[in-house]
Amino acid sequence: QKEVEQDPGPLSVPEGAIVSLNCTYSNSAFQYFMWYRQYSRKGPELLMYTYSSGNKEDGRFTAQVDKSSKYISLFIRDSQPSDSATYLCAMIVSGGGADGLTFGKGTHLIIQP
Amino acid sequence: GAGVSQSPSNKVTEKGKDVELRCDPISGHTALYWYRQSLGQGLEFLIYFQGNSAPDKSGLPSDRFSAERTGGSVSTLTIQRTQQEDSAVYLCASSLVLASEDTQYFGPGTRLTVL
Repeated sequence: QKEVEQDPGPLSVPEGAIVSLNCTYSNSAFQYFMWYRQYSRKGPELLMYTYSSGNKEDGRFTAQVDKSSKYISLFIRDSQPSDSATYLCAMIVSGGGADGLTFGKGTHLIIQP
Repeated sequence: GAGVSQSPSNKVTEKGKDVELRCDPISGHTALYWYRQSLGQGLEFLIYFQGNSAPDKSGLPSDRFSAERTGGSVSTLTIQRTQQEDSAVYLCASSLVLASEDTQYFGPGTRLTVL
């Protein structure tokens, strides 16, 4: 079993829809959770960062963490064609950064105009 | 300000040749990370630097891989005797300090193709 599981998609939705992206993880030592967006042939760009269970909102994006279920989500409201990209969840244990980020494989999202 | 830069953006090489990949982190960032992104494996962590020091090289895929960092800034990842399975995008990231909670900023990557 991989440490972080993420459905690769592709996930195709019409413009304006609410998008839900999810990851599950097995290592309870993960304490910090991130969502990165990656456009084709570009580096990952940080979208959201959380470290506690609950919701965090930033504009059209909401990140949700449920540590008891080892489950994280990213919701995108009023989706736009420019949101079409690969979304990577990432997480890291507490204690120094030396372990690096552990990523899911990414979900390829397509927003249809 | 300037972000993380990497060079070259693309590299095509023949099997058995050595390659050097370069990373320029954000100015003032003391921590630097190398990752590899391939179709089958996704994004995997290779090595980190705190200043010029890389205390743990266990994440490097084989002893053909080495990395160094000089002056607390530029880092190079060297792959000797390249193999076809080394084909991937090599990403570099930097953060202000080496801390789990510190944001890692990624460069655009170097796309390596080994023929």
